[in-house]
Amino acid sequence: QVQLVQSGAELKKPGASVRVSCKTSGYTFTGHYMHWVRQAPGQGLEWMGWINPKNGDTKYAQNFQASVTMTTDASSRTAYMEVNRLTSDDTAMYYCARDGGPDFWSGWCDIWGQGTLVTVSS
Amino acid sequence: QSALTQPASVSGSPGQSITISCTGTSTDVGSYNLVSWYQQHPGKVPKFIIYEVTKRPSGVSNRFSGSKSGNTASLTISGLQAEDEADYYCCTYAPSNTLVFGGGTKLTVL
Repeated sequence: QVQLVQSGAELKKPGASVRVSCKTSGYTFTGHYMHWVRQAPGQGLEWMGWINPKNGDTKYAQNFQASVTMTTDASSRTAYMEVNRLTSDDTAMYYCARDGGPDFWSGWCDIWGQGTLVTVSS
Repeated sequence: QSALTQPASVSGSPGQSITISCTGTSTDVGSYNLVSWYQQHPGKVPKFIIYEVTKRPSGVSNRFSGSKSGNTASLTISGLQAEDEADYYCCTYAPSNTLVFGGGTKLTVL
């Protein structure tokens, strides 16, 4: 079955960077865009951006353009999301979520990873 | 891109129907039939329940239905059950191939 398995929780100091991984299985990795979504404690879902694993094209939400980098490794079927210059406001659960459309961008997220909690604290 | 507007909370009794609204603008909700909805129980991963405004993924109960009028999309849950108590989020395509979520609605089953 389709699965997205994310890396474990992280504790980082302000100013540091964090990279979250999302290892996929059960489908053609290059056939679906991958979205990343953030959820701060007690808050709603916030879309961060997407990456096309077929060619590496990315699109970031305006709030994340300066601090986030999304990449993929097709050989390991893994997507990565790196956040730089962390602040306490970046403390959140980060989810990878597969775009639903095979071979095209559908704009909906059908399969989600289990989430990775990133805590930023000095 | 501003978040879509959802009511903070709605409630209903078992067996009743409730509707959650999701208001955007003429450049997002009003322009594209690409509204999706997600259900999230406390401490759990969001679950995909509606896409392209009205379509249900395989395995999602037909008690969940979606609609859209102008710049407002809606999720209706009929025959309310205790297990429906959760947070619900709408999401839509926005200009330049981006997405935007609503602020979320907490559904309480009385």
